[in-house]
Amino acid sequence: NAGVTQTPKFRVLKTGQSMTLLCAQDMNHEYMYWYRQDPGMGLRLIHYSVGEGTTAKGEVPDGYNVSRLKKQNFLLGLESAAPSQTSVYFCASTATGYGYTFGSGTRLTVV
Amino acid sequence: AQRVTQPEKLLSVFKGAPVELKCNYSYSGSPELFWYVQYSRQRLQLLLRHISRESIKGFTADLNKGETSFHLKKPFAQEEDSAMYYCASRGGGNKLTFGTGTQLKVEL
Repeated sequence: NAGVTQTPKFRVLKTGQSMTLLCAQDMNHEYMYWYRQDPGMGLRLIHYSVGEGTTAKGEVPDGYNVSRLKKQNFLLGLESAAPSQTSVYFCASTATGYGYTFGSGTRLTVV
Repeated sequence: AQRVTQPEKLLSVFKGAPVELKCNYSYSGSPELFWYVQYSRQRLQLLLRHISRESIKGFTADLNKGETSFHLKKPFAQEEDSAMYYCASRGGGNKLTFGTGTQLKVEL
């Protein structure tokens, strides 16, 4: 039982490049989330999903897109990376009545 | 909109001293509140949920609806308690809203 797995763990991008972060969970959770963590700002919700095939915007969605084609996977895409997207990205999942389970994070640097 | 406030960015205490990490929330309904802990560069881990009313690693937190607070307390700090602590509130869509976090440093 791996819980929530994020890939990659580290990545350096040049401004304007694109990439996809993958989040996979094996707990059959309905809800999945993408957060970014920045110093002094805590965790801010980017996008989330309440079930397979659904997505919704969070607090800071601009510059990101997501897809939930399979229940166990939640993908976060950056179409044209900007230095302001340098951050640590955390994926999380949950089911009703449970706390969140977090992934180990992806440290992204955009130069 | 939900709001979670953690007024202290950094709290420094000596080993064996009591710890209190402050958290205030604003939510019109019945809040569901949590404390998460993040050890250096690791994933966030659930520490406490207010509905379970349990004590984990010696930490407790009581929901005070009158003061809209959910402060985290421990009577005697240990060196291994040094970490970042986040208070969070769950709302619609099972979304968690986090505070900005408090870095706890336990000094010897």
